[in-house]
Amino acid sequence: DTGVSQDPRHKITKRGQNVTFRCDPISEHNRLYWYRQTLGQGPEFLTYFQNEAQLEKSRLLSDRFSAERPKGSFSTLEIQRTEQGDSAMYLCASSLEGPYEQYFGPGTRLTVT
Amino acid sequence: QQQVKQSPQSLIVQKGGIPIINCAYENTAFDYFPWYQQFPGKGPALLIAIRPDVSEKKEGRFTISFNKSAKQFSLHIMDSQPGDSATYFCAASKTSNFGNEKLTFGTGTRLTIIP
Repeated sequence: DTGVSQDPRHKITKRGQNVTFRCDPISEHNRLYWYRQTLGQGPEFLTYFQNEAQLEKSRLLSDRFSAERPKGSFSTLEIQRTEQGDSAMYLCASSLEGPYEQYFGPGTRLTVT
Repeated sequence: QQQVKQSPQSLIVQKGGIPIINCAYENTAFDYFPWYQQFPGKGPALLIAIRPDVSEKKEGRFTISFNKSAKQFSLHIMDSQPGDSATYFCAASKTSNFGNEKLTFGTGTRLTIIP
């Protein structure tokens, strides 16, 4: 499979629990992005990596959120002490370094009850 | 601060018609403008993209028109089909020494093509 993959596709959790999502980018794509999309809105940027370095974080990324890309391949996004406002689709995208397109995965739908 | 404004919010067009979706941006540093198509429960899929050095780009049935002075760009879908029914997002980013940066998206247009 040559696309971006995300796991899990759906996650239901209770408020206050921690959740972790995984993203596997397209092979050889050294850039990896995380976005969040709420119902009826466009995706909003959260953070991005070039290889293992986290180069930018949005102000949307509170201190309850942490993202890693330890070996420059897959990435994880963890949300601690989830709140109902965290309910959203979390999208991962990858690209080559340079003036290249971003390709999105299918997303992880998080529901916090 | 909404840096990319998209309209209309929803659009219904008969099969074979030409839906047009418009976007306007504020940040003059933006120099890359892609359009994405998204079906329910799926991630956005890249359709077509343009840079400001051209005023129009066509790929298959999809055309982007770009007006740099007005800071506007639009998507036209020729010979629209029911399978084109989806939500369309415009986006913009700027290019740094390292390439395209984060995308800023519009709010989306829900397109319905009726047979």
